[in-house]
Amino acid sequence: RKEVEQDPGPFNVPEGATVAFNCTYSNSASQSFFWYRQDCRKEPKLLMSVYSSGNEDGRFTAQLNRASQYISLLIRDSKLSDSATYLCVVNRGDSNYQLIWGAGTKLIIKP
Amino acid sequence: DVKVTQSSRYLVKRTGEKVFLECVQDMDHENMFWYRQDPGLGLRLIYFSYDVKMKEKGDIPEGYSVSREKKERFSLILESASTNQTSMYLCASSLNSGTGELFFGEGSRLTVL
Repeated sequence: RKEVEQDPGPFNVPEGATVAFNCTYSNSASQSFFWYRQDCRKEPKLLMSVYSSGNEDGRFTAQLNRASQYISLLIRDSKLSDSATYLCVVNRGDSNYQLIWGAGTKLIIKP
Repeated sequence: DVKVTQSSRYLVKRTGEKVFLECVQDMDHENMFWYRQDPGLGLRLIYFSYDVKMKEKGDIPEGYSVSREKKERFSLILESASTNQTSMYLCASSLNSGTGELFFGEGSRLTVL
């Protein structure tokens, strides 16, 4: 089993729709969780950190479920510019330096 | 804005050659990282450094070494390149360990023939 698992997609979604991704992680000792975004042929960039209480940034909402060991990302009113690969990232429980990266979920927003 | 600059965007090398990948950051970050990214796999950590002259192995250090002689510069060295080291190499820096935001360079795509 991979340490961090994501549905690779692609998710093909019409503009304006709501889309949700899940990511599961295997290490119950993990404490830090993130979503990064990677555009085609570009470097990853931090989209948002994921806090225990959940957090929202504009159209984006991230949730953490420790009991079931998954994090989620919800995108509302999707835009063409949201097309990208979304990477789920979790720290290795015994290290603040070592992050475990999911392979990413590809999102394609169609007009 | 934080800027992380990788010296080469594209390299083509032959098996057995020594390869240097250089990375420079301009925000006085303590921590620097080298990852490789392959299709269908998440980013995998090769080495990281939390201070000048300090280095720690990541998940896949075999076949690689690193050097951090100055705070702003972190170099990745492939002593004898092999075809299975063909990959995209990403350098990153961060202010607060690995749990703060990572800032990445644009990547160096290495092809080993």
